[in-house]
Amino acid sequence: DTAVSQTPKYLVTQMGNDKSIKCEQNLGHDTMYWYKQDSKKFLKIMFSYNNKELIINETVPNRFSPKSPDKAHLNLHINSLELGDSAVYFCASSQKGSNREKLFFGSGTQLSVL
Amino acid sequence: AQKVTQAQTEISVVEKEDVTLDCVYETRDTTYYLFWYKQPPSGELVFLIRRNSFDEQNEISGRYSWNFQKSTSSFNFTITASQVVDSAVYFCALSEAGTASKLTFGTGTRLQVTL
Repeated sequence: DTAVSQTPKYLVTQMGNDKSIKCEQNLGHDTMYWYKQDSKKFLKIMFSYNNKELIINETVPNRFSPKSPDKAHLNLHINSLELGDSAVYFCASSQKGSNREKLFFGSGTQLSVL
Repeated sequence: AQKVTQAQTEISVVEKEDVTLDCVYETRDTTYYLFWYKQPPSGELVFLIRRNSFDEQNEISGRYSWNFQKSTSSFNFTITASQVVDSAVYFCALSEAGTASKLTFGTGTRLQVTL
């Protein structure tokens, strides 16, 4: 039933490791996003994909690589994790048309890098 | 560049009080969208409202109401007769009209409603 689902919900890992966060939406939307929320609760867009094509890349380090195998999935892979990557990562989706700007968010993945 | 300012970092009220959360935005676009999202302690982001720049009508939904004033670039949110369940962080956001929704968020206002 969950519209936008992310896994895992919590991720604890050591510096230098590589990790992935998965996101799936069952809303039939054509656009998906990754947002990052830092420890001060500030939310900022990282990436957006429309029909598997990258359309927004907000000056994110290239250690972060989104991958969209199909329009229902947008995974986030992070290489060589750093302490500053600790944050909550939110996946979201939206649909072309009059409701394009209404984003549906997943419940977030809390990443802790030790 | 777009910017959203939520000057109130934290507000505490007693249940049944009315509370207004302020939001001021900056944009050079003539067409844009304004949003409010709620983030309860459980962490998810819950959509509350979307308003486009051509529609300045105020909106009421139950205990929630929104006041959009283009002249002052503000989109304030009022909760009437607040309840403990309203305790959350509330985010105002702005999006330019385009091929994808790049939301620019404010820094959020933490609302604490106590008995």
